[in-house]
Amino acid sequence: KNQVEQSPQSLIILEGKNCTLQCNYTVSPFSNLRWYKQDTGRGPVSLTIMTFSENTKSNGRYTATLDADTKQSSLHITASQLSDSASYICVVSSPGAGSYQLTFGKGTKLSVIP
Amino acid sequence: ETGVTQTPRHLVMGMTNKKSLKCEQHLGHNAMYWYKQSAKKPLELMFVYSLEERVENNSVPSRFSPECPNSSHLFLHLHTLQPEDSALYLCASSQETLGGYTFGSGTRLTVV
Repeated sequence: KNQVEQSPQSLIILEGKNCTLQCNYTVSPFSNLRWYKQDTGRGPVSLTIMTFSENTKSNGRYTATLDADTKQSSLHITASQLSDSASYICVVSSPGAGSYQLTFGKGTKLSVIP
Repeated sequence: ETGVTQTPRHLVMGMTNKKSLKCEQHLGHNAMYWYKQSAKKPLELMFVYSLEERVENNSVPSRFSPECPNSSHLFLHLHTLQPEDSALYLCASSQETLGGYTFGSGTRLTVV
């Protein structure tokens, strides 16, 4: 069964600090992995997408890593800001008929406090 | 705005009511989706429309009825819902061959 496990479930950090969120998956076959940011009461917004051959990708203060061998990904947030408070969702997609074979993690809820 | 607009943003309805959720995308995508997001659960895929044809119905109760009149609009018709149906309902669209999803802001539904 395809699964995406995220840790920690929730995290509180001080403004300006760095943090790393983890994503482990058992999805097979693998097409790509995305990290989404979801503000409270809003829809998820894509931060990064990584394919099998990519090890790291950055989007501003967000840096995602992917180890396809161990089936692990991480999202590193540098110099956190209050606006980073949100849920971060890891999504793994499988190739196949259509683009809707996605497996979602439950998300990590990040709270950045002053 | 992401290019996917959902209305209403919030909805409170009784169990005997009939209401509809609306989704509109201006991205030229050819696939649209309904997802349900409950607290502390992963997003659950409900329906998929590709080129205006329903291609997936993920064992959703018949009290949820989708409609896709064209590639830009998607509706979710609701009737005789249960309190456990209270959730955030998200619409998404994609260009199917590329697979990148764009989500709307969601409709927060409360069934009383």
